[in-house]
Amino acid sequence: DGGITQSPKYLFRKEGQNVTLSCEQNLNHDAMYWYRQDPGQGLRLIYYSQIVNDFQKGDIAEGYSVSREKKESFPLTVTSAQKNPTAFYLCASSMTGGEKLFFGSGTQLSVL
Amino acid sequence: RKEVEQDPGPFNVPEGATVAFNCTYSNSASQSFFWYRQDCRKEPKLLMSVYSSGNEDGRFTAQLNRASQYISLLIRDSKLSDSATYLCVVNAGNNRKLIWGLGTSLAVNP
Repeated sequence: DGGITQSPKYLFRKEGQNVTLSCEQNLNHDAMYWYRQDPGQGLRLIYYSQIVNDFQKGDIAEGYSVSREKKESFPLTVTSAQKNPTAFYLCASSMTGGEKLFFGSGTQLSVL
Repeated sequence: RKEVEQDPGPFNVPEGATVAFNCTYSNSASQSFFWYRQDCRKEPKLLMSVYSSGNEDGRFTAQLNRASQYISLLIRDSKLSDSATYLCVVNAGNNRKLIWGLGTSLAVNP
């Protein structure tokens, strides 16, 4: 089955620690995205990539980093510089960028 | 004014009711419009794209009013399984960036 897979489902971060969220898709989509969702807030774009080896900052990129070495994979690292990382993180992909998105099941990140 | 605004609700309706949500957008250059559905602590899923001519998918009807800059979603014969948050999404013009509304919460009661 084609789809987009995020892991882990739940992740805990200690103070000062970097953590990496995984996102893999086998839909052959060119574009991939990372969003953050906080309670009572809309989805906010962290980073996006429209092609391998290229990515752009979204609205809230500070404290995050990404890579796009393969078309299928777009991992997100939450660095220690992100002071309020507790949120629900959603990875998405789309065929051409900016249109219909397919989402992974999300990762809930919490701070210990 | 927010780029995309939705009434947060919650809308509490009985099974079988008809319910309508509106969503207003501020950028008149917006090109594409979508409704997504999100269940609690789950990922959003595309419900419908919204076309200028309006479109219908079973019990769901979406309409676009460019002059007044709003889109609507009508759900007929509500089912318990329609309980969710409905997100309005607008493609904000040339840079193809998607702007997400905060969502409207719907609870369908037996």
